[in-house]
Amino acid sequence: AQSVTQLGSHVSVSEGALVLLRCNYSSSVPPYLFWYVQYPNQGLQLLLKYTSAATLVKGINGFEAEFKKSETSFHLTKPSAHMSDAAEYFCAVSDRSGGYQKVTFGTGTKLQVIP
Amino acid sequence: DSGVTQTPKHLITATGQRVTLRCSPRSGDLSVYWYQQSLDQGLQFLIQYYNGEERAKGNILERFSAQQFPDLHSELNLSSLELGDSALYFCASSVDLLTIEQYFGPGTRLTVT
Repeated sequence: AQSVTQLGSHVSVSEGALVLLRCNYSSSVPPYLFWYVQYPNQGLQLLLKYTSAATLVKGINGFEAEFKKSETSFHLTKPSAHMSDAAEYFCAVSDRSGGYQKVTFGTGTKLQVIP
Repeated sequence: DSGVTQTPKHLITATGQRVTLRCSPRSGDLSVYWYQQSLDQGLQFLIQYYNGEERAKGNILERFSAQQFPDLHSELNLSSLELGDSALYFCASSVDLLTIEQYFGPGTRLTVT
């Protein structure tokens, strides 16, 4: 069974500071990994995805994530936080065993950006 | 705008009632997914349809059912509603069964009183 664990349900950073949101995964097969962002009262938007190509994945809005198999991690980073980054972020893992894509989401991390 | 539409945006109903949530996928997408997001359970996968056929089931209650119509829109039916069914219900779509990108709709907020 696949799963993801997001460490920290709430993270606060100052504007301009580094953003680091942690995600560890568990999967019995090589995983596909995702980060989604959810702004208040909106649906989820795909930030970036890992599909076994490059281990460092760049996404939208300056975010990137690095796949580390030895650590089973896929942490999300952004060098400099902006006020508009305040949102909830979800890590997700997917595999295609069984002939369909099954996506399991983490519990989410709410990012607060302090001016 | 993801291209996925959901109606209604908000729904308030009483316990024991039945409601239908509607989803139109992005143009060309054949696969539709339903998710429930609640404070205590997080984001849970409910069910997936592909080209009109049910393909995968997640944590969907027996009181809930869904279908996908020939024009590819989908409906999620929730019956004998309980207070605990209050949640955000999201629909997502993807091109086919194995494409990994899912595009999410804005959600329907269901409040059961």
